[in-house]
Amino acid sequence: KNQVEQSPQSLIILEGKNCTLQCNYTVSPFSNLRWYKQDTGRGPVSLTIMTFSENTKSNGRYTATLDADTKQSSLHITASQLSDSASYICVVTNQAGTALIFGKGTTLSVSS
Amino acid sequence: GAVVSQHPSWVICKSGTSVKIECRSLDFQATTMFWYRQFPKQSLMLMATSNEGSKATYEQGVEKDKFLINHASLTLSTLTVTSAHPEDSSFYICSAPRGGANTGELFFGEGSRLTVL
Repeated sequence: KNQVEQSPQSLIILEGKNCTLQCNYTVSPFSNLRWYKQDTGRGPVSLTIMTFSENTKSNGRYTATLDADTKQSSLHITASQLSDSASYICVVTNQAGTALIFGKGTTLSVSS
Repeated sequence: GAVVSQHPSWVICKSGTSVKIECRSLDFQATTMFWYRQFPKQSLMLMATSNEGSKATYEQGVEKDKFLINHASLTLSTLTVTSAHPEDSSFYICSAPRGGANTGELFFGEGSRLTVL
């Protein structure tokens, strides 16, 4: 069964600190892997999208990495801000593009 | 600005009534749209894939007669929750891929919160 597992489930960090969120998947072969940020009560917003041939992609303070061999991805947040408090969701699309498998997300809380 | 718009963003209804939620792609055409349901503090759960001009594809366990989906045009998909009950109260979100489901950017609507009394 295709799965996407995210860790940790939740994380609390101090403002200004860095953090890394993990996404392990079993979807194979896959087309792309996306990271989304979802604020409470809002729709998800795209952070990065990577194909299987890409290793890293940055979007401001967000940097996603992908290791297709180990089927792992990480999202690194640099110099966290209070506004980074949200759920971060990893989504993997199968090769045919017929299925998007969502992780359960990591809830990040940034405190001052 | 938003490229996928949902309406209404919040609706309260009495048990037994039907509620329609609209999902529009604002500046691109989407032959496929996705509908999700999200309970508090849980991840998005895909309910169905809406296909323009043909029947929607429902995920296992989702009642197609309960959640009616219509994709009447290349920019509009609707989800109708029929005979809503309190257990249908949830956050419903749609998404649409721009540029193809495989590699295109996937945009989400802002979500519609349904409360059934």
